[in-house]
Amino acid sequence: DGGITQSPKYLFRKEGQNVTLSCEQNLNHDAMYWYRQDPGQGLRLIYYSQIVNDFQKGDIAEGYSVSREKKESFPLTVTSAQKNPTAFYLCASSIPDKHTGELFFGEGSRLTVL
Amino acid sequence: GQNIDQPTEMTATEGAIVQINCTYQTSGFNGLFWYQQHAGEAPTFLSYNVLDGLEEKGRFSSFLSRSKGYSYLLLKELQMKDSASYLCAVTDSNYQLIWGAGTKLIIKP
Repeated sequence: DGGITQSPKYLFRKEGQNVTLSCEQNLNHDAMYWYRQDPGQGLRLIYYSQIVNDFQKGDIAEGYSVSREKKESFPLTVTSAQKNPTAFYLCASSIPDKHTGELFFGEGSRLTVL
Repeated sequence: GQNIDQPTEMTATEGAIVQINCTYQTSGFNGLFWYQQHAGEAPTFLSYNVLDGLEEKGRFSSFLSRSKGYSYLLLKELQMKDSASYLCAVTDSNYQLIWGAGTKLIIKP
């Protein structure tokens, strides 16, 4: 079945370490997104990519980096520069490159900094 | 600034009807989404409104009034599995998606 796969589901990190969250989709969608979700807040956009080898910063890109070398893959690296990285991270994709279509989400990755 | 407001939490009884409201103030409007999110899981799409009026889909309906900056999600014949958070999101004139904080719906037997 088509869908979005995120891994790992749970991740623990020590302060000062970089970690990379994987996101793979087989929906043949052009656009992919990374969101961060914190309790009591709406989803906040970290980065998004409309086509391969191109990506744009979202509202809270500082301390994060991404790559889009393949259409299917959009990994997110949480760097040591991100001061408060403990959160639930959601990857999503959509058919159009604008937010006029349904978003398909992965199951999420919960990152905890020890 | 841009803002989406939803109640933080609501409680309803199994078998009853509940209405979850969403008001928005955004720079332009290109559509409004409702998503359902069970605890610890990913959001799943429920509905999309771009024109005024009511969209019905089974037990769920969504209403939009663009002039009032207002939408609601109506859930009928509530079931225990409907216990979840319901997220309202609006696409603004730049096609940026603005998310509300979500409404946690608790269903009691």
